[in-house]
Amino acid sequence: EVQLVESGGGLVQPGGSLRLSCAASGLTVSSNYMSWVRQAPGKGLEWVSVIYSGGSPFYADSVKGRFTISRDNSKNTLFLQMNSLRPEDTAVYYCARDSTYGSSDYWGQGTLVTVSS
Amino acid sequence: DIQMTQSPSSLSASVGDRVTITCRASQSISSYLNWYQQKPGKAPKLLIYAASSLQSGVPSRFSGSGSGTDFTLTISSLQPEDFATYYCQLSYSTPRTFGQGTKLEIK
Repeated sequence: EVQLVESGGGLVQPGGSLRLSCAASGLTVSSNYMSWVRQAPGKGLEWVSVIYSGGSPFYADSVKGRFTISRDNSKNTLFLQMNSLRPEDTAVYYCARDSTYGSSDYWGQGTLVTVSS
Repeated sequence: DIQMTQSPSSLSASVGDRVTITCRASQSISSYLNWYQQKPGKAPKLLIYAASSLQSGVPSRFSGSGSGTDFTLTISSLQPEDFATYYCQLSYSTPRTFGQGTKLEIK
């Protein structure tokens, strides 16, 4: 059974940093395309980033230069390093496995990031 | 970047109704279009991938169609558990933009 478990969310001040983790079981992170998607309170889904199995990362313009997606193959874990955080980054952050035609078929439960002073 | 326009933003319907949600891309995305269902406080659930392929375990009352720029999600006979928010998403390129969402409510 595939499980994705996010952690690392919390309250951070504007300008601060946070690193989210997504621990995977039942699949190998390094062999898959893995994504981060976020959802601000009461708003729709926003795609944030993807890392391909070959290691190439891609980002939404809204986070480019501030967020970094990476993975630790030995821990089978996906990360999202978030720097220079802004109030508009407040959201639930989901990790997901990308499958056929780039669809996300497995999702974590989400972790809440709140950026506020 | 490719823009996705989803409509309607909300929809009221009754159990047993047939409903259709549309999604339009600002340029051709072939069949790289996916549909998700999301219920409050839960992660999204994949319903349809590659525009018309039904994800394993999803009831057959859900169907998708389209290619190029125009796509539809159809629910043939609404069930009580179908009242939720639905999103389209392109996966032809990055950014993998989502549509604005359609909130399906009970009439």
